[in-house]
Amino acid sequence: AQTVTQSQPEMSVQEAETVTLSCTYDTSENNYYLFWYKQPPSRQMILVIRQEAYKQQNATENRFSVNFQKAAKSFSLKISDSQLGDTAMYFCAFERVNAGNMLTFGGGTRLMVKP
Amino acid sequence: DVKVTQSSRYLVKRTGEKVFLECVQDMDHENMFWYRQDPGLGLRLIYFSYDVKMKEKGDIPEGYSVSREKKERFSLILESASTNQTSMYLCASGADVSYEQYFGPGTRLTVT
Repeated sequence: AQTVTQSQPEMSVQEAETVTLSCTYDTSENNYYLFWYKQPPSRQMILVIRQEAYKQQNATENRFSVNFQKAAKSFSLKISDSQLGDTAMYFCAFERVNAGNMLTFGGGTRLMVKP
Repeated sequence: DVKVTQSSRYLVKRTGEKVFLECVQDMDHENMFWYRQDPGLGLRLIYFSYDVKMKEKGDIPEGYSVSREKKERFSLILESASTNQTSMYLCASGADVSYEQYFGPGTRLTVT
């Protein structure tokens, strides 16, 4: 079974600064997918970024980028130029190939962006 | 835009009651999921379905059942609600493996 660990239950960052959220996972699979989802207060969960394990290049989406270290089983999310709207719960998630779109989530990190 | 809707945002039920949580998606997705979200535990999969009338147990199916009679609708049933089922319940749908899941707004269920 896969496990996903987010070691930072809460974090805060000043507006316009950069913050990195950590995620580690445990699997014996060689090919899989990793995701970061964002859940703003009282709003629906949305996908932030997606990484395919067989791709060495780190995924980037505007101000969001990941540092994917396959050997270390680490998948951190970097948010650059933080904005107030980035305040949310962030969840790291893992999906095995051929697992029918099933996700295993970490416990989440609550990020507060301060003005 | 994909829309996933859930029947209630907040629900209060008594111990022993039968509870129905409904989820509807409008994008013709094959896969639908029910999760519960608890602080510090993240989201845990209760049940999922990859086709009409098909269902598979997730990580924590005990005390729950599901129904998928139509492709767009996936219902979660608590046969006899208990206080330890007080939680946030999230429904999601997805088109294919490895791609994103689309989530509903959640139902916060309190069992007293």
